Amino acid sequence: DVKVTQSSRYLVKRTGEKVFLECVQDMDHENMFWYRQDPGLGLRLIYFSYDVKMKEKGDIPEGYSVSREKKERFSLILESASTNQTSMYLCASSTPGGGTGELFFGEGSRLTVL
Amino acid sequence: RKEVEQDPGPFNVPEGATVAFNCTYSNSASQSFFWYRQDCRKEPKLLMSVYSSGNEDGRFTAQLNRASQYISLLIRDSKLSDSATYLCVVGEGGNKLTFGTGTQLKVEL
Repeated sequence: DVKVTQSSRYLVKRTGEKVFLECVQDMDHENMFWYRQDPGLGLRLIYFSYDVKMKEKGDIPEGYSVSREKKERFSLILESASTNQTSMYLCASSTPGGGTGELFFGEGSRLTVL
Repeated sequence: RKEVEQDPGPFNVPEGATVAFNCTYSNSASQSFFWYRQDCRKEPKLLMSVYSSGNEDGRFTAQLNRASQYISLLIRDSKLSDSATYLCVVGEGGNKLTFGTGTQLKVEL
């Protein structure tokens, strides 16, 4: 069964803290994505990666960075968390070929920044 | 104007009803179209792709109108278990998928 696992379901951090969100997939997918989901705004793409050590900015990369050292793992980093980064963060993976539509999501990490 | 627009709802319908959702997209060069379903406090999951000729999967029918740039989803004989948020998703080629904000459906007894 397809599996995307996010390391933390719920996190509470303070303004200025460095935050790591980890995502692991067991499907040998080349593509991995980080989205955030906010009420009224839907899912917005932060970063994606189509290969190890490769990354591309999405629509809202400001304040975030990513790391993909291994094919199965894609990390999202908030260098200095701010209250406007309070959100639900969703990791996803897919096979290459682009636009196939079958994104497999993790269960999400709800981050609260105080 | 949002790239992908949906009526947020909620649509409250009785069990057994037929309900339809529409979605409009702004980029005429969009190449692929999908409906995802998201249950409360869960991750989105692919419901079905949308093809130019229209396609059906059981009680669900998806239609695409490229000329008017809209996509529709029809659910027949609604079940309580259909209660969820339905996300319209548009692909522009490559890896870029744009999600609508979703339409909430509540099926009631």
